[in-house]
Amino acid sequence: QQPVQSPQAVILREGEDAVINCSSSKALYSVHWYRQKHGEAPVFLMILLKGGEQKGHEKISASFNEKKQQSSLYLTASQLSYSGTYFCGTETPGGKLIFGQGTELSVKP
Amino acid sequence: DAGVIQSPRHEVTEMGQEVTLRCKPISGHNSLFWYRQTMMRGLELLIYFNNNVPIDDSGMPEDRFSAKMPNASFSTLKIQPSEPRDSAVYFCASRLQGISTGELFFGEGSRLTVL
Repeated sequence: QQPVQSPQAVILREGEDAVINCSSSKALYSVHWYRQKHGEAPVFLMILLKGGEQKGHEKISASFNEKKQQSSLYLTASQLSYSGTYFCGTETPGGKLIFGQGTELSVKP
Repeated sequence: DAGVIQSPRHEVTEMGQEVTLRCKPISGHNSLFWYRQTMMRGLELLIYFNNNVPIDDSGMPEDRFSAKMPNASFSTLKIQPSEPRDSAVYFCASRLQGISTGELFFGEGSRLTVL
C-alpha cells in the first residue's frame, strides 16, 4: 500500500516555511525522505528509524510518529534550491521500500 | 567512487520489441531495487533483491517483465514484448542493508519510449 503524501503541491516565497506530511496504513520500520529535481534522479535527504534515530542532513528536520505511522518533513527558511518534488518512502521490516506520489515544492524569489 | 550506473540512458523502440535495461550497483552494496516512474503512477517499486536474491516482485506489472541479478555487480530488467504503456523512466537503486537500514543511491535512470 503506497504511503499518502500531503499536500500534493505547494508554492512558497523564499524564506517561508513548509511542512510535508506522509502517512502509511502499514507498520513501519523506517521512513525515508528524498528530493528529485526535474530530469534528475531522487537524492537522499533523511531516514527516520523506529525508536527515534535519525540520519540525514543537518538543515532539514523531520519527525516520525511510530504509533500513527506518520512522518512530517520540515523545511524552514526555504531557498530557491529547495524546489523539487519530495518523496517519502516507507520501509517495512522486510526491507521493502515504497514511495508516495510526491509533493511538488516551488520556491519563488 | 562511481555511483549506480544504468544503461541505456535513453531507448526508443517499437511495440513488440524486447527491451533490456542494465544496472551496476555501487560496489559493496547488497540490496538492489528497480523502480518505474510515470506522471500518472509516480515512483513504483517493481522488484528488489537482497544479496542477489529476489525478495519481492509483486510490483512487476505482468509476465512481460522479468528481472535478474546473476551477481552482486549486475542486474537486468527485461520487457518482452514491449508495449506503449511501458513508456517510463526506469530507476535502479542500491544500498547497504545491514543491522540498520541504509539510504538508497539512485542511478540516473533509463528513459524508455515504446512507439
